[in-house]
Amino acid sequence: GNSVTQMEGPVTLSEEAFLTINCTYTATGYPSLFWYVQYPGEGLQLLLKATKADDKGSNKGFEATYRKETTSFHLEKGSVQVSDSAVYFCALVMGNNRLAFGKGNQVVVIP
Amino acid sequence: GAGVSQSPSNKVTEKGKDVELRCDPISGHTALYWYRQRLGQGLEFLIYFQGNSAPDKSGLPSDRFSAERTGESVSTLTIQRTQQEDSAVYLCASSLSGASGTEQFFGPGTRLTVL
Repeated sequence: GNSVTQMEGPVTLSEEAFLTINCTYTATGYPSLFWYVQYPGEGLQLLLKATKADDKGSNKGFEATYRKETTSFHLEKGSVQVSDSAVYFCALVMGNNRLAFGKGNQVVVIP
Repeated sequence: GAGVSQSPSNKVTEKGKDVELRCDPISGHTALYWYRQRLGQGLEFLIYFQGNSAPDKSGLPSDRFSAERTGESVSTLTIQRTQQEDSAVYLCASSLSGASGTEQFFGPGTRLTVL
């Protein structure tokens, strides 16, 4: 069935460092792909999305490109800030618009 | 405007008791979803409501779980005879429609702890 796999473990990095969080998917067809973010003490919110192959989603300095050749949707940001500390979830849409999520990655940015 | 709200925010219960969780979606959103997140796991889909259509219950883990929604408003998720493995954060989301790719807006969740 359709599923999403995120790289294991938390990510700790210094302010202004480059961030990459890997996400790969298994799916029938080409579903829309999403990154959701959960800031401390807040609810899950949509960060960016891409609806078809080669699309690039972007928001708040984050980017992710829908790569059908590698079935990936890696999240990147060129220069992270302390305020980017959060948990990031990759997801794809299935039937009835329900989402299949990866396990999430805790990102901690150190000043 | 108001976002998705859920109550209670925290619930501690004893094994074997029934619990009821509530979700108030964004007004005008026809689609409503329940997910749960167990410790160290991603979110798992539980159930989906769209307007007056029959709900998609394909994610409910057992017959101890049920959910209702009145029209396009409040939804309640009921867990009967709770077990320790039911401990999780239960998240509700709503979207303007059930069309594929429509953004879902999430509530803050209910943290359920079964002792």
